[in-house]
Amino acid sequence: GENVEQHPSTLSVQEGDSAVIKCTYSDSASNYFPWYKQELGKGPQLIIDIRSNVGEKKDQRIAVTLNKTAKHFSLHITETQPEDSAVYFCAASRGQTGANNLFFGTGTRLTVIP
Amino acid sequence: GAVVSQHPSRVICKSGTSVKIECRSLDFQATTMFWYRQFPKQSLMLMATSNEGSKATYEQGVEKDKFLINHASLTLSTLTVTSAHPEDSSFYICSARDRGRGGNTIYFGEGSWLTVV
Repeated sequence: GENVEQHPSTLSVQEGDSAVIKCTYSDSASNYFPWYKQELGKGPQLIIDIRSNVGEKKDQRIAVTLNKTAKHFSLHITETQPEDSAVYFCAASRGQTGANNLFFGTGTRLTVIP
Repeated sequence: GAVVSQHPSRVICKSGTSVKIECRSLDFQATTMFWYRQFPKQSLMLMATSNEGSKATYEQGVEKDKFLINHASLTLSTLTVTSAHPEDSSFYICSARDRGRGGNTIYFGEGSWLTVV
């Protein structure tokens, strides 16, 4: 089955700096890679996703890159703000081929220091 | 965007009783929903996949007779924790797959805190 690894487990950055979280996956058939932000006591919120037919996607301060050959994908947050502090999870699935579930990374606790 | 509603957000029940958690997709039809359990400071652990109109598929180690899942309509799945014990106390989260708009995106509910006393 799929195995998703996520690094780092914790990350502290100064407000305004960039934050990068990296994930690797094992199943070459995975083709859908979402990122979720989870605040304390709440459910994960989808913040950005990327499918295997593109290498990069950007939405304002958030971007995701995908390297299918190396089987890794990364989340980039620029100009970080205190409200970006949360736990971020990457995930992988065979979304478009009808397989069921997401395989999650172990999460990264991001702290943005004002 | 798509919204998944989960209810109740918090519930306290006595040991030995059963408690039901609902998961609704509010603006899309979800033939597939997922139930997760999350322990503090840990990732989400998939418990089961709920398919509309058929039996749920449980992950290894999850007791199907204890965690009853029903997906009776395209917008509602329920998780019933039967004969709850303190060790069942946890954060339970559902998600739903939206196949619309040319995509295949999964949205999560807000989660339900279960405390068994």
